[in-house]
Formats: sequence, structure tokens, C-alpha cells
Amino acid sequence: ILNVEQSPQSLHVQEGDSTNFTCSFPSSNFYALHWYRWETAKSPEALFVMTLNGDEKKKGRISATLNTKEGYSYLYIKGSQPEDSATYLCAAGNKLTFGGGTRVLVKP
Amino acid sequence: NAGVTQTPKFQVLKTGQSMTLQCAQDMNHNSMYWYRQDPGMGLRLIYYSASEGTTDKGEVPNGYNVSRLNKREFSLRLESAAPSQTSVYFCASGRLNEQFFGPGTRLTVL
Repeated sequence: ILNVEQSPQSLHVQEGDSTNFTCSFPSSNFYALHWYRWETAKSPEALFVMTLNGDEKKKGRISATLNTKEGYSYLYIKGSQPEDSATYLCAAGNKLTFGGGTRVLVKP
Repeated sequence: NAGVTQTPKFQVLKTGQSMTLQCAQDMNHNSMYWYRQDPGMGLRLIYYSASEGTTDKGEVPNGYNVSRLNKREFSLRLESAAPSQTSVYFCASGRLNEQFFGPGTRLTVL
């Protein structure tokens, strides 16, 4: 079982501010790193799948970077909006071991 | 395409009762998964099936059994429910590096 950790557990952000948070995972035998966005009362929705060291992916105002050698990924939200409020999950490994999530609340 | 569907959406059981959670996908995926979600713990893998006819244990398999009935369907069975199994259960199916999740089943065991 992989040890996948996310920090912080929760984040309050003012509307318009940018923010970022971390996912750490074992760097040995790296397979893939996934980011999901999970809104309350809905299913997790895939944001990114990252496989290459140094990879950077972007979807609108949300982007992610990957460092497989040191075992971490950052997710960035630029100019946060209230609709960005959700729990962001990362998962690693070929069987997808999930971290505990970072709950983001964007205040208007 | 309905994607991944789960039934029921909600269920209340008494300790010791049994039930089966149903999951079906119409995306022709080989892999299917069952997760449970508990507050502060993210998603934990219960069982998965890499292909029709195969199943493997995940992180928290105790107290559960699964059946991969065919390529479309993957069911999760609780033979004797316990209060510790109160949770939200998500089914997912996937291909390559991507998973698609169902809407979840909220189970309460009294």
C-alpha cells in the first residue's frame, strides 16, 4: 500500500487569490499521478493524469506539476472563484492509492 | 452513455444483515473498482477487477466480497454488515490511466 499524503487538509482562499497545495508520494517505482476534483454530493471528476517527471498540465485556471524524483506534485489554482470550492484528491500507483484530499473553500 | 451507475443510492441496514451493492458501466472498460470514502480518509480501495473473471483485494477488503459478473457489472457484497461499514461506497471503471466514478451509495449500518 502506497503512502500518499496531501497538505494542507483544508484551505480558505479569498476570491481572486491564487493558491496551491501538495501531494507527496513514494518516488520509487513511480507509475502515474492523478488529480481529481470532488464537489460535495457528486462523484470525483478527473482533472489530470501525469506520468513524466517535469510534466506540467493545465486546464483553464488550474494547473499541476510533477516531480517524480522527489515524489511530489503541486496543484495550482489561479484567480480562485467560488466555483473552485471542492475537495482536490491526488492518487498514485497502478491501483490508485488516494491521499486524504485538500478541501478548498473560496470565499466571495 | 450512462457511464458508471450504482444502485441503490441510499441504504440503511441493521447489524448482521447482508446486502449487495450493484455497479455497471457502459464504457467497455476492462478494469472496475470499489472504494469506500470516510471523513478525513479520502478514498480507500476495497477490491478491484482488472478484467472479466478476475478480482483482487485492495487496501481494506475485510468484510466484503465481490463478483465480476461480466465485463459491465461488478458487485460488492456485505455478508454480515457491521457499524464500521457505514460509509459512502464508490464504484469506478477505467482504462489505461483514467478512472470514471459512479454517483456513490450511502450506506448506514445501525
